[in-house]
Amino acid sequence: EAQVTQNPRYLITVTGKKLTVTCSQNMNHEYMSWYRQDPGLGLRQIYYSMNVEVTDKGDVPEGYKVSRKEKRNFPLILESPSPNQTSLYFCASNTLAGGPGGELFFGEGSRLTVL
Amino acid sequence: AQSVTQLDSQVPVFEEAPVELRCNYSSSVSVYLFWYVQYPNQGLQLLLKYLSGSTLVKGINGFEAEFNKSQTSFHLRKPSVHISDTAEYFCAVSDRVTGGGNKLTFGTGTQLKVEL
Repeated sequence: EAQVTQNPRYLITVTGKKLTVTCSQNMNHEYMSWYRQDPGLGLRQIYYSMNVEVTDKGDVPEGYKVSRKEKRNFPLILESPSPNQTSLYFCASNTLAGGPGGELFFGEGSRLTVL
Repeated sequence: AQSVTQLDSQVPVFEEAPVELRCNYSSSVSVYLFWYVQYPNQGLQLLLKYLSGSTLVKGINGFEAEFNKSQTSFHLRKPSVHISDTAEYFCAVSDRVTGGGNKLTFGTGTQLKVEL
């Protein structure tokens, strides 16, 4: 089954404790992206990657890091989480072959609470 | 840069009634337009998209949307809603020129609540 898998789905942590949210897709997609969803703000892009070792900032990259060492994985790293990073996070992927009109496939989300 | 405006944050409607969720966009270049749906505790899934051609686009679950270039709108409609349509709906735009892979700019979402 084609899917984007995120872990953990739920996490409560404390300020300053480094954490990683993993994302893996099994569709051989080149493009992967992280979004955060906040009430009244919709989804905002954090980082994206066009392929292995190619990453770039989205609209709200501050406080986050990413890496793309393998095509299937795109982890989101919070080096020193703060309460304003409490949010619902989504990983998404798609193939670049379809161009910008292609469908984004989303994971089920990771709800992060930073105390 | 592009932006998307969904004026209605919540839309309550009775079952079997018609519904329209409004979406307006702004962009200096040609765009692709999308509607995504998010059911409770799930990720987003594509409902429909407009790339080119006919301005009336049909999607899954009986939804359709009409692209209106002069009004820069892409409103979503369904003639008769069901309880199972209760979800949050997001309008999104993608820059057709630079693309950036598939960087979507999302609206703030409209919560559709279908009541008996």
